[in-house]
Amino acid sequence: GAGVSQSPRYKVAKRGQDVALRCDPISGHVSLFWYQQALGQGPEFLTYFQNEAQLDKSGLPSDRFFAERPEGSVSTLKIQRTQQEDSAVYLCASSFRVTSGGADEQFFGPGTRLTVL
Amino acid sequence: GDSVTQMEGPVTLSEEAFLTINCTYTATGYPSLFWYVQYPGEGLQLLLKATKADDKGSNKGFEATYRKETTSFHLEKGSVQVSDSAVYFCALRGNTGTASKLTFGTGTRLQVTL
Repeated sequence: GAGVSQSPRYKVAKRGQDVALRCDPISGHVSLFWYQQALGQGPEFLTYFQNEAQLDKSGLPSDRFFAERPEGSVSTLKIQRTQQEDSAVYLCASSFRVTSGGADEQFFGPGTRLTVL
Repeated sequence: GDSVTQMEGPVTLSEEAFLTINCTYTATGYPSLFWYVQYPGEGLQLLLKATKADDKGSNKGFEATYRKETTSFHLEKGSVQVSDSAVYFCALRGNTGTASKLTFGTGTRLQVTL
């Protein structure tokens, strides 16, 4: 596809359920990022992949959050035993290269809006 | 750690008015600075960027200058249009640690009326 796609666009879960959110980055993009955006706030970094390697997971809020990118393309963010505070928009972004301190553009997907009841 | 502070909204302007959205940052080293825009119902889009001090980013009539002495990257436009109504996010990317991650401000909603 032309851009980053995410699915589902909307997800409603009951507290305690597990959810899986999918991200399809732009073809050929090496870097992939997950961000969490709470209502009325800016996106906050969750985790970062370079190809299939998860190089930074310092933003994951708890061990209930898990992300993978097994073949260096599609990524899945999984949240176990969802809580109400997990309600947010989850954004995926990809970029072509890895540049240290550079300005390589990150392209964002439309996000998945997760509501935990 | 890195942080970005931007003026709170909403900002309401009449068409053709001058726009300024203030943004200041805290970071170690020499970050790259960005403005992203989110139009209603759409995803985040890069509006402009600057990678070093005194650089000016510009796009679609918007401008922002990287001021290291005041750690600022204020967004300006000389004459706003109704179609500029959106949420604007200031962001930085540091050059230490995980260099690629973006740190965002809380966003400023702009509403332009006729």
